[in-house]
Amino acid sequence: LAKTTQPISMDSYEGQEVNITCSHNNIATNDYITWYQQFPSQGPRFIIQGYKTKVTNEVASLFIPADRKSSTLSLPRVSLSDTAVYYCLVGDIGGFKTIFGAGTRLFVKA
Amino acid sequence: GAGVSQSPRYKVAKRGQDVALRCDPISGHVSLFWYQQALGQGPEFLTYFQNEAQLDKSGLPSDRFFAERPEGSVSTLKIQRTQQEDSAVYLCASSARDRGIVGNGYTFGSGTRLTVV
Repeated sequence: LAKTTQPISMDSYEGQEVNITCSHNNIATNDYITWYQQFPSQGPRFIIQGYKTKVTNEVASLFIPADRKSSTLSLPRVSLSDTAVYYCLVGDIGGFKTIFGAGTRLFVKA
Repeated sequence: GAGVSQSPRYKVAKRGQDVALRCDPISGHVSLFWYQQALGQGPEFLTYFQNEAQLDKSGLPSDRFFAERPEGSVSTLKIQRTQQEDSAVYLCASSARDRGIVGNGYTFGSGTRLTVV
């Protein structure tokens, strides 16, 4: 399973766009990129998944360059409730395991 | 229920005590995973069930850890002779899919916080 590297923490203000970049230099051909969100005292929650180019849903966008060695989660107009830990995961969706890194702690300030 | 339910939410155990943590997955879900999350760290894979079959237990840290899912629904994670290093949040996740947690369709419970004193 490919290892991922992401910033330990980030600060932002309400209403700003937040971009969290994850590096995954050893990503394999069959690997997908998935982002999860975790609030204190809760389990992780799926945000978005992609293989290449750009994916957008109602909560976020995921940008993946052509070489797929990195990806960027974009959260538009964050609010205080977006304060959480964000995990970038890379792996084959046909596999069994999911490897979480330490994640990025996002603090949104008023 | 609508989500994955874990009980108890909090458990304090004396060192050396045995504990049992319960996971009630979403009804009908085929796959069930257990993860261990230490304070300030990401979740770490422990084991995976497909129905009642334990297909992967490579993440269990020692033979003191044992998981079962005898009827393919409720699962129990048992830790024998607990040690202080076992203190963590234990998360359960389930899915209607028969493989692959890297994706949508997986629901995590809120976890059981185990503190060994």
